[in-house]
Amino acid sequence: AQSVTQLGSHVSVSEGALVLLRCNYSSSVPPYLFWYVQYPNQGLQLLLKYTSAATLVKGINGFEAEFKKSETSFHLTKPSAHMSDAAEYFCAVSPSTSGTYKYIFGTGTRLKVLA
Amino acid sequence: KAGVTQTPRYLIKTRGQQVTLSCSPISGHRSVSWYQQTPGQGLQFLFEYFSETQRNKGNFPGRFSGRQFSNSRSEMNVSTLELGDSALYLCASHHGGAGNEQFFGPGTRLTVL
Repeated sequence: AQSVTQLGSHVSVSEGALVLLRCNYSSSVPPYLFWYVQYPNQGLQLLLKYTSAATLVKGINGFEAEFKKSETSFHLTKPSAHMSDAAEYFCAVSPSTSGTYKYIFGTGTRLKVLA
Repeated sequence: KAGVTQTPRYLIKTRGQQVTLSCSPISGHRSVSWYQQTPGQGLQFLFEYFSETQRNKGNFPGRFSGRQFSNSRSEMNVSTLELGDSALYLCASHHGGAGNEQFFGPGTRLTVL
């Protein structure tokens, strides 16, 4: 069975500091991996996705993530945090071999950016 | 191109009632999935429809049901509402292969009193 673990339900960083949000997955088949962001009272917006084309994936708003198979990780980073990055971030996994689009989500990490 | 729309955005119901939520996917998308989001359980998969057929179902009681119409619009229904059904219900549409992302609507906030 697939699963996703996001370490740290709350992360605080200073404006301009590095953002690192952790995601580890478990999957018996090569997975597709996604990072989504959710702002208050809104749906989820895709930040980036891994589909096996490249292990370092660049997304919107300066975010990127690196797929490390040996560590079963897909951590999200941004070199310099901005106040507008304050939101909740979700990592999700989807199997690459099934004909369904069911996502398994992590429990989310709420990012707080301090002025 | 219009995004995923969900109606209504907010609902207040009382225990024992039933509710129907609606989702219109992005034009051309034939797959619609539903998720329940709560502070305690996070995002939980409810079910997925493709071309009017349910392809996958999450671990929810039979009170939760859904359907999809020929124009790909989808509805989900919750009968005999319980307090624990209070949540944000998100709909997502999808097209193409599994590596393509799902596009989420803004959600319907259901409050059960």
